[in-house]
Amino acid sequence: NAGVTQTPKFQVLKTGQSMTLQCAQDMNHNSMYWYRQDPGMGLRLIYYSASEGTTDKGEVPNGYNVSRLNKREFSLRLESAAPSQTSVYFCASSEWIMNTEAFFGQGTRLTVV
Amino acid sequence: GESVGLHLPTLSVQEGDNSIINCAYSNSASDYFIWYKQESGKGPQFIIDIRSNMDKRQGQRVTVLLNKTVKHLSLQIAATQPGDSAVYFCADNRGSNYKLTFGKGTLLTVNP
Repeated sequence: NAGVTQTPKFQVLKTGQSMTLQCAQDMNHNSMYWYRQDPGMGLRLIYYSASEGTTDKGEVPNGYNVSRLNKREFSLRLESAAPSQTSVYFCASSEWIMNTEAFFGQGTRLTVV
Repeated sequence: GESVGLHLPTLSVQEGDNSIINCAYSNSASDYFIWYKQESGKGPQFIIDIRSNMDKRQGQRVTVLLNKTVKHLSLQIAATQPGDSAVYFCADNRGSNYKLTFGKGTLLTVNP
């Protein structure tokens, strides 16, 4: 099983550019999440999707949008990248909404210059 | 503010020793706690979780202890191996059904 797959693994953007981070899971999970991880800080929740067809803001949603394309896929979009969005982004999924074991992807290292 | 924190940012142990990683939380509404392991360049990997109606839970070579009185939990790793070298994160839910608040992590280094 591939588990949770994120693309791309690395990306460099110029300030103001847009891009979409892709995430897919093959575990038939209902809930999916996007986190960012910055040095010296724990993982912070950006957006989550409790089930197909729903999305909600997490702790740090500003500057991001998400789309739950279907049960498998949950994308994160940066409309106008800023240097403050330089981070490592992780997608995760769980069978149901959090408070159960979540499976994480390998991460996308994004640098905004 | 209220957050999950760690007592020790780094921990170095000898192979074969037992490791104890500590974590403090401050929100009394927290009723779910989880430990993740993150190896360099990889995503976090679930280790073990515990709910507030329990004081102790054991897994394979790992034990999580929860002390609600002092809002403290710990992760014990028995017979630590080089493959256990990683950053360990604790997280709690602050009573939420969807949100986990993660600590900053403890780097565990296992010396052969």
